[in-house]
Amino acid sequence: QKEVEQNSGPLSVPEGAIASLNCTYSDRGSQSFFWYRQYSGKSPELIMSIYSNGDKEDGRFTAQLNKASQYVSLLIRDSQPSDSATYLCAGLNTGGFKTIFGAGTRLFVKA
Amino acid sequence: DAGVIQSPRHEVTEMGQEVTLRCKPISGHNSLFWYRQTMMRGLELLIYFNNNVPIDDSGMPEDRFSAKMPNASFSTLKIQPSEPRDSAVYFCASRDGSGELFFGEGSRLTVL
Repeated sequence: QKEVEQNSGPLSVPEGAIASLNCTYSDRGSQSFFWYRQYSGKSPELIMSIYSNGDKEDGRFTAQLNKASQYVSLLIRDSQPSDSATYLCAGLNTGGFKTIFGAGTRLFVKA
Repeated sequence: DAGVIQSPRHEVTEMGQEVTLRCKPISGHNSLFWYRQTMMRGLELLIYFNNNVPIDDSGMPEDRFSAKMPNASFSTLKIQPSEPRDSAVYFCASRDGSGELFFGEGSRLTVL
């Protein structure tokens, strides 16, 4: 079992819709989670971090963490074509040393 | 700050040649990571350093790979000898105290 798992997609949504990206993790000691966005041919860039159970909102983005279910999600409201990218879920392992990435979910937002 | 700086951006070499990738982390970040990204395997952690000391190199695929961090502002990843299956994008990233990673632009390696 991979430490951080994501559906590779692609996930296709129409412009203006809500895109929902999901991630599960196996390390129960993980405390910190991150969502990175990676455009084709570019490096990953951080868009959200979440450290406690519940929701965290930043503009059109909402990250959700459920430690009991070992589940992390990212919601993108009012999706735009510029949101089309690969979204990488990452977790900091027990001890907080290693950042482990999921395989990424490709998102396409259709105009 | 200029961000994480990697060089070269692109490298094309022949099988058996030595490849050296370079990284300058963000000043003040005390952790540095080397990742490799391929379509098949995604983003794999190769090795990371804390305060210039290698902490975990379990992701280094073979003895052909080695990494050093002689000081807080410089790190190298070396492949000797290189093989076609080493072709990938190699990312260096540094981390601040919050756990957030900042990536360089990557070095795209092609081994013929």
